[in-house]
Amino acid sequence: NAGVTQTPKFQVLKTGQSMTLQCAQDMNHEYMSWYRQDPGMGLRLIHYSVGAGITDQGEVPNGYNVSRSTTEDFPLRLLSAAPSQTSVYFCASSYSETKANVLTFGAGSRLTVL
Amino acid sequence: AQKITQTQPGMFVQEKEAVTLDCTYDTSDPSYGLFWYKQPSSGEMIFLIYQGSYDQQNATEGRYSLNFQKARKSANLVISASQLGDSAMYFCAMREGSPHTGTASKLTFGTGTRLQVTL
Repeated sequence: NAGVTQTPKFQVLKTGQSMTLQCAQDMNHEYMSWYRQDPGMGLRLIHYSVGAGITDQGEVPNGYNVSRSTTEDFPLRLLSAAPSQTSVYFCASSYSETKANVLTFGAGSRLTVL
Repeated sequence: AQKITQTQPGMFVQEKEAVTLDCTYDTSDPSYGLFWYKQPSSGEMIFLIYQGSYDQQNATEGRYSLNFQKARKSANLVISASQLGDSAMYFCAMREGSPHTGTASKLTFGTGTRLQVTL
């Protein structure tokens, strides 16, 4: 199993450009989520999904869109990139039927907005 | 108020010694879970250990143990017999609510503790 796969690993954008960070998991996990990590601030939740067709906002959703058309994929869209969105982005997934429902994270995507 | 507080920005420990990384949390939900993740310099997030609020015993996973003091709202990570490969950033995180609902995705993270293991 590949686990949680994120692409691209690195991306540089200019202010105002749009892009999509891809996330795919092959573990048949129902729950998926996107976090961002900024220096000195830990990880913060952007959006999450409890299953195909269902998404909800996290702590810092502004400037980001998500959709979940399949169980496997959960892309994160930046509609008009801003320098404040320079960060490392992590996608995560988990399976609700386990005791702990531990999040498995992807390797991260480093985004720089100029 | 911070939901997860890690007061040690950096820690040093000698190889083969034990080290405790502090974590305090704040919640009024009777059902919650506490997690520790390791982030090496390569950047990935590696799950280490979990403690549920209703678990009677402290969690252990190999060299990792969680010192769970519910009344004090603390969930300290203890690493025994430190190794050079333990040098990394360590994050404490909390889930509020049941692990079987959508809130399971909503972890609140602390700011982390950077651990450096020395010879």
